[in-house]
Amino acid sequence: GENVEQHPSTLSVQEGDSAVIKCTYSDSASNYFPWYKQELGKRPQLIIDIRSNVGEKKDQRIAVTLNKTAKHFSLHITETQPEDSAVYFCAAVKTSYDKVIFGPGTSLSVIP
Amino acid sequence: DGGITQSPKYLFRKEGQNVTLSCEQNLNHDAMYWYRQDPGQGLRLIYYSQIVNDFQKGDIAEGYSVSREKKESFPLTVTSAQKNPTAFYLCASSIRHSSPDTQYFGPGTRLTVL
Repeated sequence: GENVEQHPSTLSVQEGDSAVIKCTYSDSASNYFPWYKQELGKRPQLIIDIRSNVGEKKDQRIAVTLNKTAKHFSLHITETQPEDSAVYFCAAVKTSYDKVIFGPGTSLSVIP
Repeated sequence: DGGITQSPKYLFRKEGQNVTLSCEQNLNHDAMYWYRQDPGQGLRLIYYSQIVNDFQKGDIAEGYSVSREKKESFPLTVTSAQKNPTAFYLCASSIRHSSPDTQYFGPGTRLTVL
């Protein structure tokens, strides 16, 4: 069945360094790829998304890249801050009638 | 995401009891979803509904039931058949376009079985 893999499962970086989280998906028909951030005890919130007709998207310190040929996409956070510490989930969707397939999550810790 | 609410925030249940979790949205979204999250784990889909009066099982539907009588509401019942119900339950909704769109999550209900 459809599957999204996510690596690494945990990531620690020094404040100010960059963090990269990578995801791969199995269904080549997927064409929408959101990223969610979940702080401890809170709801997941969308931080950035990308559609299959775009290779890269940036929003301030956050960027996402997509390689459709290789079926993988990545989240890049630059100049990390302690408030970036959270669990990050990637996801892949085919159509608005399909369920969202989430990755297992990456726990990011930013060390002051 | 402020337009999707869940109640209660915390819920305690005795073993053998059914309990219903509320999820309401005023975003005029067509689709609604229920996820279960265990500590340190990811999101597992319980049930989802794309339209009123219709819903589909997700990956872990056993021991749960839902209804979708109104577009705004998608309550989840955790039955006594669910053997390990203690978890964080998240409801989400999304609009149905010709292309997929973002899911917005409610604040969650933390269920504890005593």
